[in-house]
Amino acid sequence: DVKVTQSSRYLVKRTGEKVFLECVQDMDHENMFWYRQDPGLGLRLIYFSYDVKMKEKGDIPEGYSVSREKKERFSLILESASTNQTSMYLCAIGDTSTDTQYFGPGTRLTVL
Amino acid sequence: QKEVEQNSGPLSVPEGAIASLNCTYSDRGSQSFFWYRQYSGKSPELIMFIYSNGDKEDGRFTAQLNKASQYVSLLIRDSQPSDSATYLCAVYNNNDMRFGAGTRLTVKP
Repeated sequence: DVKVTQSSRYLVKRTGEKVFLECVQDMDHENMFWYRQDPGLGLRLIYFSYDVKMKEKGDIPEGYSVSREKKERFSLILESASTNQTSMYLCAIGDTSTDTQYFGPGTRLTVL
Repeated sequence: QKEVEQNSGPLSVPEGAIASLNCTYSDRGSQSFFWYRQYSGKSPELIMFIYSNGDKEDGRFTAQLNKASQYVSLLIRDSQPSDSATYLCAVYNNNDMRFGAGTRLTVKP
């Protein structure tokens, strides 16, 4: 079974704080993704990574950065949190043999 | 812009009925197609994937793909109240996965 874990299920932060969301996988997959999900807007890709130290921008990278220092770990960083970054954040890993993505449990972030 | 369109619903069916969920996509080069189920407050979980035209069955679920019409559907037979969730369609092409916004299904006892 694919296992993807995220550091927090719920997080409350203040405007201007630096926020770290961490995602860890146990399946040795190269591809990892960060999405945010908002009502009516569906899943939107923020960043993805195909390998250690590699990153690519998704559709909505503004206000975010990522770090992948080890294969199993992909971090999403909000440099200065804003209220419009209140959302559900989902990490996914990609199985290249089937093109399938598997999701972690998600982090619901509230920025006050 | 590559788009994946789903009727947002809610779609309501009685217990034991067949639920039919539909999805259209704009990228003709799409190679792989997925259905995810998402319970309220939870993350999406994979139900099934389909690559070729036609039907693919897995238990009570059947995925149908028609690439010429750029259409993929999910049928749920003998619907149960536990099937009540939002169903996301996803379409993959060349390292790019696109998700629909989802259809909310309610199965009434």
